[in-house]
Amino acid sequence: DTEVTQTPKHLVMGMTNKKSLKCEQHMGHRAMYWYKQKAKKPPELMFVYSYEKLSINESVPSRFSPECPNSSLLNLHLHALQPEDSALYLCASSQGRDSPTDTQYFGPGTRLTVL
Amino acid sequence: EDKVVQSPLSLVVHEGDTVTLNCSYEVTNFRSLLWYKQEKKAPTFLFMLTSSGIEKKSGRLSSILDKKELFSILNITATQTGDSAIYLCAVSSGETSGSRLTFGEGTQLTVNP
Repeated sequence: DTEVTQTPKHLVMGMTNKKSLKCEQHMGHRAMYWYKQKAKKPPELMFVYSYEKLSINESVPSRFSPECPNSSLLNLHLHALQPEDSALYLCASSQGRDSPTDTQYFGPGTRLTVL
Repeated sequence: EDKVVQSPLSLVVHEGDTVTLNCSYEVTNFRSLLWYKQEKKAPTFLFMLTSSGIEKKSGRLSSILDKKELFSILNITATQTGDSAIYLCAVSSGETSGSRLTFGEGTQLTVNP
């Protein structure tokens, strides 16, 4: 089973709203990731959590706030977003071993529109 | 800065054709090279390559890595309309657990009946 689930599938929010994206996996993976993907562009890494600790933050604006409550869950809290933040937000997970064979599996994504 | 370049960016073929997609890279702390297929939503994993010269095969798809020349190819034989998708090449790098994936721009493959 290589399933990563994400909710909601679609989200429309205003610039003053606060919302959260959720990601879950039950594969025992210890690394989880958030990516942002704009139309016709490849995914861009935002954050990496390794063993529930934030290990990589790719200079993402503070209006995006990640949280890893436990090894199966990853949240992305959104506040005061801009229209240019509209994108597909992808979650991924991997075993998190310091190994060349560590493979990331992606969830279906949340399509976010900021009005 | 890590860099992954794919070519061609776009390819249109007829069913039954064979296609070769290219990926070259420059990264520090290389771990592996991965190929993903993306249709409408999330990228789905195809192959992971870590060693040079060893071909990975799955049905009509195959891939190989050259770590000396820093490139990989993805071959699809006897293409079908269901192969139409964006094919993403990504390189995994990093020194700590939890790897960093750098993606290429992707190759948009269209297979016409």
